[in-house]
Amino acid sequence: DAGVTQSPTHLIKTRGQQVTLRCSPKSGHDTVSWYQQALGQGPQFIFQYYEEEERQRGNFPDRFSGHQFPNYSSELNVNALLLGDSALYLCASSLVRRGASDTQYFGPGTRLTVL
Amino acid sequence: AQSVTQLGSHVSVSEGALVLLRCNYSSSVPPYLFWYVQYPNQGLQLLLKYTSAATLVKGINGFEAEFKKSETSFHLTKPSAHMSDAAEYFCAVSDPVGKLIFGQGTELSVKP
Repeated sequence: DAGVTQSPTHLIKTRGQQVTLRCSPKSGHDTVSWYQQALGQGPQFIFQYYEEEERQRGNFPDRFSGHQFPNYSSELNVNALLLGDSALYLCASSLVRRGASDTQYFGPGTRLTVL
Repeated sequence: AQSVTQLGSHVSVSEGALVLLRCNYSSSVPPYLFWYVQYPNQGLQLLLKYTSAATLVKGINGFEAEFKKSETSFHLTKPSAHMSDAAEYFCAVSDPVGKLIFGQGTELSVKP
């Protein structure tokens, strides 16, 4: 049973560029959440997708956008990159019918460095 | 709104000693609480969670946590630390839609 997978593992971009990160949820899961973890900090919620719709959004600017596909995989897009966007981006999957108590399973993350 | 505070950004114990990592939460509704562990350059792994059943929750690798509503706490303990327990530990509370709100994390060091 494959867990949550993310690609790429590492990414280096320059300021102003755009980036796309990808996530495949754990088998059987239908909900994908994205988190940003800056160095030395706890993860911060970016948004959550279910049924290809953004279900909830954290306090992130519109430069951060996402998408969920019919197979439940998801993409996170960040436009006009800033130095402060350098972080580990984590994807987590869960089952919406289990509600807020359901365990979110995390992928290994994508380390984004903005120069 | 929910929030989590982890007391102590760094905790150091000797191998075989008790591990105690502190977490206090704030929530306007009955909370769902989680402890995750993160090893260097890896994602987060669930240790245990509280979902309003038993107040003493047992998790993986010998960890357990006790939910105390009167103290709004959910501290993580392990009777005997092992070198492999050295990692970053995060306490989190879930909002009603399933958004996780994390604390700042506690780095656990284990001395031989």
